[in-house]
Amino acid sequence: DAMVIQNPRYQVTQFGKPVTLSCSQTLNHNVMYWYQQKSSQAPKLLFHYYDKDFNNEADTPDNFQSRRPNTSFCFLDIRSPGLGDAAMYLCATSTRGYAGRPSFGDGTRLSIL
Amino acid sequence: DAKTTQPTSMDCAEGRAANLPCNHSTISGNEYVYWYRQIHSQGPQYIIHGLKNNETNEMASLIITEDRKSSTLILPHATLRDTAVYYCIVRLNTGNQFYFGTGTSLTVIP
Repeated sequence: DAMVIQNPRYQVTQFGKPVTLSCSQTLNHNVMYWYQQKSSQAPKLLFHYYDKDFNNEADTPDNFQSRRPNTSFCFLDIRSPGLGDAAMYLCATSTRGYAGRPSFGDGTRLSIL
Repeated sequence: DAKTTQPTSMDCAEGRAANLPCNHSTISGNEYVYWYRQIHSQGPQYIIHGLKNNETNEMASLIITEDRKSSTLILPHATLRDTAVYYCIVRLNTGNQFYFGTGTSLTVIP
């Protein structure tokens, strides 16, 4: 089945140690998103790609970066994780256009020691 | 960008219809309304979306008011597995962004 896959499901890193989360898709969608979801909160959009065009949200900290080397893969890099970055990180994909609906992966839960 | 407002929580008796409201008073003409739900520790799952007309699929019905300022998601016969957080999302017509509302935590009671 076509889907959005996030690996790993659980990631532990140390305070200040760079970490990369990965997302892959078999849907061939041209839009890919990264969301941060903290406990008991709604997902918060960090940024998205339309093809290779990167679109950052105004309030996304500089500590968060992203790479999309090809259509299928997208990475979230946290350069110096702080305790406040512990959260679930969700990847989603969509076609462009108003009627496109995003498909979500099951997320990576990041813990900071 | 159009914002959405939802009640924080709702209860529904098993087997009864669950009606979840969403306010999106600043929605513009080309913006669609989407509904997703999220069960603990999983990614959000698509339920339904619409523009102007009411929509129905195998999961739910979506009723959008004529002025499009609000909508209601209807789960016709709620089951215990429908217990989840339900999000109403409005898609911006100037880009691809999807912004989540605060969500409604629905509890289906046996």
